[in-house]
Amino acid sequence: EVQLVESGGGLVQPGGSLRLSCAASGFTVSSNYMSWVRQAPGKGLEWVSVIYSGDTTYYADSVKGRFTISRDNSKNTLFLQMNSLRAEDTAVYYCASGTLDWGQGTLVTVSS
Amino acid sequence: DVVMTQSPLSLPVTLGQPASISCRSSQSLVYSDGNTYLNWFQQRPGQSPRRLIYKVSNRDSGVPDRFSGSGSGTDFTLKISRVEAEDVGVYYCMQGTHWAWTFGQGTKVEIK
Repeated sequence: EVQLVESGGGLVQPGGSLRLSCAASGFTVSSNYMSWVRQAPGKGLEWVSVIYSGDTTYYADSVKGRFTISRDNSKNTLFLQMNSLRAEDTAVYYCASGTLDWGQGTLVTVSS
Repeated sequence: DVVMTQSPLSLPVTLGQPASISCRSSQSLVYSDGNTYLNWFQQRPGQSPRRLIYKVSNRDSGVPDRFSGSGSGTDFTLKISRVEAEDVGVYYCMQGTHWAWTFGQGTKVEIK
């Protein structure tokens, strides 16, 4: 059974950093493209970043230059390093394997 | 970015009656490999998104056959043949043809 468990969310001040993790089980993160998708409170879904099996990465314009997606195949874990955080980055962050399997999400709140 | 426009944004439906959601893209979603990467997701209250349909009309495993997807090019439709209480939630179309992948605004399905 595929399972994705996000962690690392929390309250951070504007300009701060957070690192989100997504622990995978039931498959290997290196075998499929993996993504981060976010949802601001009461809003719709926004694709943040994707990493392909060949390590090609893409980012939404809204996070380019501030966020970095990566994975650790030995830990079967996906990461999202978020720097220079802004209030508008406040959201639930989901990791997804392909587009089929999603985690339960982790809340990031950027506020002073 | 490709803009995905859904209608209606709110859909009150009587139990047992059909429902239909339209999704239009600002450019063709036909990829260079001939596939059209248009997905439909359901998000029940308090839950993560769940993929229902991939590549326009392919139903995911475990998805009831009352859900169907159709369309081509820039115009797509999700139909529920007979709405059940468990279908309450927000439905999103999503294009995976052009980066940045984008979602529609969401259509809230509720029971009258």
